[in-house]
Amino acid sequence: GEDVEQSLFLSVREGDSSVINCTYTDSSSTYLYWYKQEPGAGLQLLTYIFSNMDMKQDQRLTVLLNKKDKHLSLRIADTQTGDSAIYFCADWGSGYSTLTFGKGTMLLVSP
Amino acid sequence: NAGVTQTPKFRVLKTGQSMTLLCAQDMNHEYMYWYRQDPGMGLRLIHYSVGEGTTAKGEVPDGYNVSRLKKQNFLLGLESAAPSQTSVYFCASSYDSGEVQPQHFGDGTRLSIL
Repeated sequence: GEDVEQSLFLSVREGDSSVINCTYTDSSSTYLYWYKQEPGAGLQLLTYIFSNMDMKQDQRLTVLLNKKDKHLSLRIADTQTGDSAIYFCADWGSGYSTLTFGKGTMLLVSP
Repeated sequence: NAGVTQTPKFRVLKTGQSMTLLCAQDMNHEYMYWYRQDPGMGLRLIHYSVGEGTTAKGEVPDGYNVSRLKKQNFLLGLESAAPSQTSVYFCASSYDSGEVQPQHFGDGTRLSIL
């Protein structure tokens, strides 16, 4: 089946930029998403990008999409301790009419 | 401004017991989903519904049943709980096909099966 892969852990210092990477296999993906999960909570949509776009910027967030390599990244500028969370990459899973999630990247921001 | 509400938030069951997890949304969403989240596994889709009275299987449906008798509610049932079903369960909903509409998640139900 279709798959979404992410690195499991990233540690940065406050004020640095964070880059979380994701690869996917579904060549028919039309939308790709980034969700954030804070401890003890559900997932919140951070941003998404349409597959005909290369980049999308939303305040401190920059999403880059390389459709040829099926690679998606999320850059968080000026990372804050409040950004510490698990970040999920997801794409539209053609098999089940819903999202296919990666396993999540835990971002730890230290002061 | 409730959004998606899951009941209960925590539960401990013994092997073989049954229970029902309730998900309620007040956004008039058509689509509803049940996921389970396990360490190192990410989120996996159990069942989903594209409208009142409809349900469909997801990636890991075995051992679970669902019902969508009312548009705002999506119930997940465990008929005979097993330790392998220890997990955090998330319900989500979206207005239309999630491809262009974001899924809104509840805060989860933490279920332990002893």
